[in-house]
Amino acid sequence: DAGVTQSPTHLIKTRGQQVTLRCSPKSGHDTVSWYQQALGQGPQFIFQYYEEEERQRGNFPDRFSGHQFPNYSSELNVNALLLGDSALYLCASSLGRAAEETQYFGPGTRLLVL
Amino acid sequence: ILNVEQSPQSLHVQEGDSTNFTCSFPSSNFYALHWYRWETAKSPEALFVMTLNGDEKKKGRISATLNTKEGYSYLYIKGSQPEDSATYLCAPVETGFQKLVFGTGTRLLVSP
Repeated sequence: DAGVTQSPTHLIKTRGQQVTLRCSPKSGHDTVSWYQQALGQGPQFIFQYYEEEERQRGNFPDRFSGHQFPNYSSELNVNALLLGDSALYLCASSLGRAAEETQYFGPGTRLLVL
Repeated sequence: ILNVEQSPQSLHVQEGDSTNFTCSFPSSNFYALHWYRWETAKSPEALFVMTLNGDEKKKGRISATLNTKEGYSYLYIKGSQPEDSATYLCAPVETGFQKLVFGTGTRLLVSP
């Protein structure tokens, strides 16, 4: 079992650009959640996808959007990048959406916006 | 908005010491609490999911307790080893939501 994988591992963009991050969930998992971890903070919830729909969203602007594919993999898109979007972006997968289900995290994508 | 506090922010102990950390959260609307260990350059690793008041979970030398009435959870490490060095994060979940709300973590360093 490959576990949760994310690509790319690192990315450098400039302000105003757009970025797409990718996540493949753990085998058998159907739910994908995305988190942003800024320096010195805990991960913050961006949104969750289940059955190809966004089911829940955190306090992030519409510049942050996502998608889930029929194979349960997911993408996170960020438009009009700001310097403050520089962070580690984590993807987590789980079997179902229940709060007591363990979420398994990938290694993250580190985004630097210049 | 769920306000999660973890203390201490960081901790430096010697190999063999036992240690514990605290996770505090609003007790109303509590549904579940997750503990994670996060080593540098690795993925966060799930330790426990706790849902019941008075719940106690154990994994090797690590254990955790939960008090939902007063809104706190303790994580204990018995006989710390250098490989226990990591950041320990707690993440409670409110009733009606499925999102984890993380604290800023406790950074543990265990010296040989």
